[in-house]
Amino acid sequence: QVLLQESGPGLVKPSQTLSLTCAVSGDSLSSAAYCWNWIRQHPGKGLEWIGYVFLGGSTFDNPSLKSRVTMSVDTSKNQFSLRLSSVTVADSAVYFCARGRRNYFGSPYFDSWGQGTLVTVSS
Amino acid sequence: EIVLTQSPGTLSLSPGERATLSCGASQTVSSRYLAWYQQKPGQAPRLLIYDASTRATGIPDRFSGSGSGTDFTLTISRLEPEDFAVYYCQQYGSSPFTFGPGTKVDVQ
Repeated sequence: QVLLQESGPGLVKPSQTLSLTCAVSGDSLSSAAYCWNWIRQHPGKGLEWIGYVFLGGSTFDNPSLKSRVTMSVDTSKNQFSLRLSSVTVADSAVYFCARGRRNYFGSPYFDSWGQGTLVTVSS
Repeated sequence: EIVLTQSPGTLSLSPGERATLSCGASQTVSSRYLAWYQQKPGQAPRLLIYDASTRATGIPDRFSGSGSGTDFTLTISRLEPEDFAVYYCQQYGSSPFTFGPGTKVDVQ
C-alpha cells in the first residue's frame, strides 16, 4: 500500500516562496506507470491540479499558475517537492500530494493521496 | 481547458435511496478519460471510478459510472450512511487536468 505524507511550513509571507515535500512509502518514484502530483483545494472550494513530476525529474504544470511552479524529485529519499514562487493570499489552500496513474497518453487520474497540509499566505 | 460542471450542487437523500450525479464537460473528454472521487470533511479525496466506468480497487459495487463524450454519470445504487460526502469528477483527457465543482450528497 502506497502512503504519501506532505510536510512544510503552514504559514508563508506574501511574495515569498511556498515549499512543500511529499514523502512516499510503499512505491518507487522511478516507476514509469505513475507520476507524482500536487493538487490544491482552497477552503470550502473545489480541487485544482498544480502539476506533476515524473521519471527522473520531467515536470508538467498547470499554465494557470503562470510559471511560478518548480517541482523536483529525490529518488534517494523517495520524496518529491513543490516550490511555488511569488505567493499571494490567493495561494492559501490545502495542498495535497497524490500518485497519478498514467493513461496511454501519460495523463493521470489520482489513485492515492496524502492527507493534505494547510498553507496560509499572510504577513 | 475543459471545464467540468456538476449537477445538482446538493442532493438530499435518505439511506437506501439511489443517487444519480451528473458531470458535464465543455468539450469531448477523449477516450472516456474521466474519474470520480469521494471526499469527506477533513479528508483527502478517494478514487472511486476511472476510465468513466471502472471501479477502483476496494470500491463497493453499489458505485457505478457511465457516460462518454461530454456527459457522465455516477450512480450509487443504495446509499449507505458512509456515502454521504462530496463527489468530484475529473477529466484527464487533456491538459490541464480539471475537476468539477462537486456535488454534495447529504442526509434528507
